[in-house]
Amino acid sequence: KQEVTQIPAALSVPEGENLVLNCSFTDSAIYNLQWFRQDPGKGLTSLLLIQSSQREQTSGRLNASLDKSSGRSTLYIAASQPGDSATYLCAAGANNLFFGTGTRLTVIP
Amino acid sequence: SAVISQKPSRDICQRGTSLTIQCQVDSQVTMMFWYRQQPGQSLTLIATANQGSEATYESGFVIDKFPISRPNLTFSTLTVSNMSPEDSSIYLCSVLKGGSYIQYFGAGTRLSVL
Repeated sequence: KQEVTQIPAALSVPEGENLVLNCSFTDSAIYNLQWFRQDPGKGLTSLLLIQSSQREQTSGRLNASLDKSSGRSTLYIAASQPGDSATYLCAAGANNLFFGTGTRLTVIP
Repeated sequence: SAVISQKPSRDICQRGTSLTIQCQVDSQVTMMFWYRQQPGQSLTLIATANQGSEATYESGFVIDKFPISRPNLTFSTLTVSNMSPEDSSIYLCSVLKGGSYIQYFGAGTRLSVL
């Protein structure tokens, strides 16, 4: 069974700082790796999807990388803003997603 | 994209009762899923809701406890039966649209069982 771990569990940074969130998974035979953002009362929002044949995806200030051989993915957020404050979840799989427990990010103005 | 309406958004229920959660999508989707997020834990898939047939349950989840319906391509319900305090969680539905692996999630139903 796929197990997904996210480190750190919580992170506080001053506004403007670049930061990296980490995600590791145990089964390298993943189909896809997705990063989500979870805001209280608003469910999950998909940020980036990396298919198993890809190495990275970019959207605006976000960049996600995937290294299947080491079982790791990172989410890089450039020039963080207070509006980036949320819980970030990574999930491995295709239809059945295995989620990590998330990193709670706080960006301090 | 997909817009998902999930109802109710929250509820407080008594032990032994049942609650039905509705998930309505603004367009036809190929697959619908139900997840549970227990306090302080990650999301766990309960089942895949199949249109016109019985849902496919993950290990640890059974139909008698979590009956699911999916009468068409835009609507599904999840019932949490004979509730106990251990069922207190956020329940979320998600969907996949044809040709994409991006899952879209509803806002979730926060359930508290007393």
